[in-house]
Amino acid sequence: VQLVESGGGLVQPGGSLRLSCAASGFIFKSSEMNWVRQTPGKGLERVSYISSGGSSIFYADSVKGRFTISRDNAKNLLYLQMDSLRPDDTGVYYCAKEGGYGYFDHWGQGALVTVSS
Amino acid sequence: EIVLTQSPGTLSLSPGDRATLSCRASQNVRNDYLAWYQQQRGQAPRLLIYGASYRASDIPDRFSGSGSGTDFTLVISRLEPEDFAVYYCQQYGGFPRTFGQGTNLEIK
Repeated sequence: VQLVESGGGLVQPGGSLRLSCAASGFIFKSSEMNWVRQTPGKGLERVSYISSGGSSIFYADSVKGRFTISRDNAKNLLYLQMDSLRPDDTGVYYCAKEGGYGYFDHWGQGALVTVSS
Repeated sequence: EIVLTQSPGTLSLSPGDRATLSCRASQNVRNDYLAWYQQQRGQAPRLLIYGASYRASDIPDRFSGSGSGTDFTLVISRLEPEDFAVYYCQQYGGFPRTFGQGTNLEIK
């Protein structure tokens, strides 16, 4: 199993970023996926979830209305569109495969997002 | 929201020692859906235990999890140098999924 995030970087408050996660080594189209972030203020936080087919989606209250999760099962890619970014969104964003029922059995190496002027 | 409180915040031990880490939930964790992760500096978390007591693939048997309801424990029977890291618990019995704040296991 390999999960590789990309798209992180430095962005000004109010700006946007799109994270991608390339998956390999497992049947992506059958797997539930998540974005989990680690921030200095709140530690580890699951920010978004998407079901295998994309029909069921969850967002943490802290990002609801600002972040959008999506996936392309034909390309084995997971995305997180982040808009209206705030300084407290700064942290490392991990793509995480769900092992079953809600724990995370594989994680990517993380993408650093810094929101600062 | 289920709040997970881990103790101690920092645990200072020596290689070969036994480590006992605690995770207490603010309310019952349904079906004992509690996981433990290890995070080395600069790396992503790694799943150790799920379902409170089931070891994940390729996890050495010196790691064991126990507990139910609101009180859970991770024990590392004999510490190896590579075990010194930060450990997190996570509950997936309720929404939202939540993590504890972590226990830093450091070399004494």
